[in-house]
Formats: sequence, structure tokens, C-alpha cells
Amino acid sequence: AQTVTQSQPEMSVQEAETVTLSCTYDTSESDYYLFWYKQPPSRQMILVIRQEAYKQQNATENRFSVNFQKAAKSFSLKISDSQLGDAAMYFCAYSGNNNDMRFGAGTRLTVKP
Amino acid sequence: KAGVTQTPRYLIKTRGQQVTLSCSPISGHRSVSWYQQTPGQGLQFLFEYFSETQRNKGNFPGRFSGRQFSNSRSEMNVSTLELGDSALYLCASSLRLGEETQYFGPGTRLLVL
Repeated sequence: AQTVTQSQPEMSVQEAETVTLSCTYDTSESDYYLFWYKQPPSRQMILVIRQEAYKQQNATENRFSVNFQKAAKSFSLKISDSQLGDAAMYFCAYSGNNNDMRFGAGTRLTVKP
Repeated sequence: KAGVTQTPRYLIKTRGQQVTLSCSPISGHRSVSWYQQTPGQGLQFLFEYFSETQRNKGNFPGRFSGRQFSNSRSEMNVSTLELGDSALYLCASSLRLGEETQYFGPGTRLLVL
């Protein structure tokens, strides 16, 4: 079964600085998708960024980028120029052939002004 | 386009009762998935519906069931509620079965007393 591991329960970053959230996963599939979702205190899960496994190029969405290392099964999220509104729980997620999304335990990000 | 909507947003029930939660997907989306989120277990996949048929099911007891209507709206039902069923129940929609990107609703917070 596919598992997703986020080894950092909590992270903090100074406003305007850069922070990287880690995620590793375990799978025997070759085609799959990886996601980072953000869940602010309002509880609405918001898609931050996604990566198709067959693409070598790392996905980027404005201040958010990923470092996808397929061989190492690593999928980290980098947030540049952190803003107060970035404070939230961040979940790494995997979706493969079964189409049921597997989530990591989450990383709580605090942004200090 | 309006996002995924879930009703009710909050619910209090007592042990042994049953509950029905509703989810309306984004217009045009035909696949609906349900997740349970608890502090202890994190986000867990419940089931996925497409074309009024359950296509995928997570590891939950038979007390958890769902259905999907011809307009893609979905309901999930939990019978004989237990204290451990207290959770945030999230619904997510996607364009079609196998569409990897899911968009989440705000969730229904269920408290079982």
C-alpha cells in the first residue's frame, strides 16, 4: 500500500523568508500524482500545487515550488517570501492507480511577523 | 464557478443515532470522494462515487455508506454512531473518475456525544 510520510509535525518561518516542507512516499507504481494541500484554520482544503510523476520538471505556482526526486520518492514544498497568510496545516498527498488519495499526517506551518 | 458545498457545516448527535451528510460538487464535476479527518488518524479515504456508483472504498465499517444522485450530488450516511465517529468529514469533487485533482468542500464537523 502507498504511504505518505511528513516527518515535520511543525515548522516555523519568519515573514519574507523561505521554508521547505518535507514529504516522502512509498509506492511500487510508476505513474502517479503528488499534491500539496493547504488547510488554514477555516478548514477549507486548498490545492497548492501538483506534480505528475512522469514529468521531470518540478512544478511551480508563484511562490510555491516543489523539489520532486522520483528515485528517492521525495516531494518537498518550498515556500518563498513567506506571508502571514501562508500559516496553515500543509498536507502532502499521493494519488495512484486506485485513485484513492493518501495523505501524510501534515505539517503545521507558523509564520512569524 | 461555485465551489464544493457541504451541509450541514456542524452537527451534534448522540451515540446510536444515525446521520446524513450532503455534498454538492463543483458544477460539471461527476466524481465525489469522501474523507474523514481526525486528530488521531489524520485524513482517511472513505469512498468515491461516479455515475451514481461506488467505485472505490476505504477501510471503514459498513456503518459508513453513501450514494450519489443523477445530478452528481452525494450523501454519506453513518448509522449507529459511536464516539469515535466525531470528526471533520470532507467531500471532494473532480471532473471524472480517475481525474487526479480533487477540490475540497469546507467540511462537516460532526460531534458525537
